[in-house]
Amino acid sequence: EAQVTQNPRYLITVTGKKLTVTCSQNMNHEYMSWYRQDPGLGLRQIYYSMNVEVTDKGDVPEGYKVSRKEKRNFPLILESPSPNQTSLYFCASSLTGAAGTDTQYFGPGTRLTVL
Amino acid sequence: QKEVEQNSGPLSVPEGAIASLNCTYSDRGSQSFFWYRQYSGKSPELIMFIYSNGDKEDGRFTAQLNKASQYVSLLIRDSQPSDSATYLCADLDSNYQLIWGAGTKLIIKP
Repeated sequence: EAQVTQNPRYLITVTGKKLTVTCSQNMNHEYMSWYRQDPGLGLRQIYYSMNVEVTDKGDVPEGYKVSRKEKRNFPLILESPSPNQTSLYFCASSLTGAAGTDTQYFGPGTRLTVL
Repeated sequence: QKEVEQNSGPLSVPEGAIASLNCTYSDRGSQSFFWYRQYSGKSPELIMFIYSNGDKEDGRFTAQLNKASQYVSLLIRDSQPSDSATYLCADLDSNYQLIWGAGTKLIIKP
């Protein structure tokens, strides 16, 4: 089954404790992206990757890191989480990210709470 | 700052009626527009996209694009309670980046 998977689905942590949220897709998509979603603000892009070893900042990259060593995986790293990073996080992928008809497929989401 | 604006709602529509959702965008170079549906606690899923002026129909859904006025709308005919969700509008801007609206919450009342 074609899908985007994220782990963990739920995470409660404390300020400053490094964490990684994994994202994997099995559709051989070139483009992958991380979003956070907060009430009233919609989806805001954190980082995106057009292909392996190519990553770029989105609208809200501060406090986050990503890597794209393999095509299928795009982990999101919070080196020193803070309470303002409490949010719902979505990973998404699409075939190329540069076509007008590209559909983004979303993972199930990770609800992160930073105390 | 490129923006996509949507009324947050909630928009309440009786079952069987037409629900009309609207979205305006700021980037005149935007190329394509997408409507996603998001049920509470779930991830967004694509309903349809449109890139040409005019109407595009898919089942009970019709997307309308007016590039001169910079708005895009989604009509849902014969609304069902299962259509109750938040509808997200997104536009692929001139830099091939998706710009998202905050979404409109739609409630279909039986």
